[in-house]
Amino acid sequence: EIVLTQSPATLSLSPGERATLSCRASQSVSTYLAWYQQKPGQAPRLLIYDASNRATGIPARFSGSGSGTDFTLTISSLEPEDFAIYYCQQRRTLITFGQGTRLEIK
Amino acid sequence: QVQLVESGGGVVQPGGSLRVSCAASGFTFSFHGMHWVRQAPGQGLQWVAFIRSDGGSEYYADSVKGRFTISRDNSKNTLYLQMNNLKTEDTAVYFCARDPPVQFSPSHLDVWGQGTTVIVSS
Repeated sequence: EIVLTQSPATLSLSPGERATLSCRASQSVSTYLAWYQQKPGQAPRLLIYDASNRATGIPARFSGSGSGTDFTLTISSLEPEDFAIYYCQQRRTLITFGQGTRLEIK
Repeated sequence: QVQLVESGGGVVQPGGSLRVSCAASGFTFSFHGMHWVRQAPGQGLQWVAFIRSDGGSEYYADSVKGRFTISRDNSKNTLYLQMNNLKTEDTAVYFCARDPPVQFSPSHLDVWGQGTTVIVSS
C-alpha cells in the first residue's frame, strides 16, 4: 500500500498569507496525485488532479506541483473561506488518502 | 445539476448487515466509475471500494475485502454498498463519489455526495 504523509498536521496562518502544504508518498506515484478540501459537516471537494490541474470552478489562487514522491499544494493568498482540512490522494495503486492538514486561522 | 444522494445508513449490531445506496442525477451515470469512501468520527478519509462504469471490475480496500460488495444498476442510476459482518470500526459516514468519465481504473473523485451515517454498536 502506498502511504501518503502530509505535513504539517496543522498550519496556522492569517488571511492574505501564502499557504504551502506538503504531501510525501512512500513510493513514486508519478503525477497521479489529487488534493481535496473539506469543511466541517461537508463532503470533500476536489481542488487539484494529476498533481497540477485545477478542477472545474476552483480559483486560481490554488495551485499544485510535484511529481514522484513529493507534492505541494499552494494557496497564494488565503481567503477566509479557505480555512479547512486538506487531503492528498494517490491513484498510482488503488486509492489512498493522506491523513490531512488542518489549515486554521492564526 | 450533478448530484449524488446517499441513503440507507443506520444503527446495526456487530456482525450484522446493511446496504447503503447512492442515487445519481444530472449526468450520464453509465459513463463513470464510482467509489465509496468513509470517514470515521473525527478521522480522515478512507477509500473503501470502486466499481468500473460498466460494472465489469471492482476494487476494494483490504480492510473490507470479503465483507463488503460494491455494485451498481445503470438502469436505475444507482450505486450500492452491501456491508456484511460489520465491525465497530466500520462506524463512519459513507460517501459515494464519482470518477471522471471512461476511466478503467480508479482515478480522482470529482463529485461527492453528502454522506450517510453507519453506526455499528451493540
